[in-house]
Amino acid sequence: GDSVTQMEGPVTLSEEAFLTINCTYTATGYPSLFWYVQYPGEGLQLLLKATKADDKGSNKGFEATYRKETTSFHLEKGSVQVSDSAVYFCALRGRRIGNEKLTFGTGTRLTIIP
Amino acid sequence: DTAVSQTPKYLVTQMGNDKSIKCEQNLGHDTMYWYKQDSKKFLKIMFSYNNKELIINETVPNRFSPKSPDKAHLNLHINSLELGDSAVYFCASSPVGAGNTIYFGEGSWLTVV
Repeated sequence: GDSVTQMEGPVTLSEEAFLTINCTYTATGYPSLFWYVQYPGEGLQLLLKATKADDKGSNKGFEATYRKETTSFHLEKGSVQVSDSAVYFCALRGRRIGNEKLTFGTGTRLTIIP
Repeated sequence: DTAVSQTPKYLVTQMGNDKSIKCEQNLGHDTMYWYKQDSKKFLKIMFSYNNKELIINETVPNRFSPKSPDKAHLNLHINSLELGDSAVYFCASSPVGAGNTIYFGEGSWLTVV
């Protein structure tokens, strides 16, 4: 079945550091890929997405590129802020009709210290 | 206006009780979901409905029963609550199509004591 493997946390960085959170996937066919973010005590928000190979999703300074050859969708940000502290989830959505659910990775908790 | 709204946000109840969580979406989406997030933050799908029809039912105990009176609503009823049911339950909705975003509600924090 479909699965997502993402970098285990927690990750702690200083403000203005470069961030990478690794994500790889296994899926039948060509899924769509997503990053969701969960701030403390809140629900899930879409951060960015990519629906086909070589697409780059971007939002709020975060970027991720859909790499079919390495089955990866790594999240990056050039300069993190304290307000980026949250749990980040990589997810895929399969294309099989009747099974278009999101399959999530385990989440990576990110803490940014001033 | 909240796109996917679920109530209650917090629920504390005793073992053995029966409880319901309600969900409504005003986005006009055809598909709705229930996800469970455990204490380690792991998210797993429980159910999915498309136009009131159940299409995904993932190995969930039959104490959990979803009901979709119309395509804008998907409620979750839980019978005989157990300690292990303590979790955050997220309702979500989306248009059909893998490239479309799934939108989540704010979650319902269930604690069974």
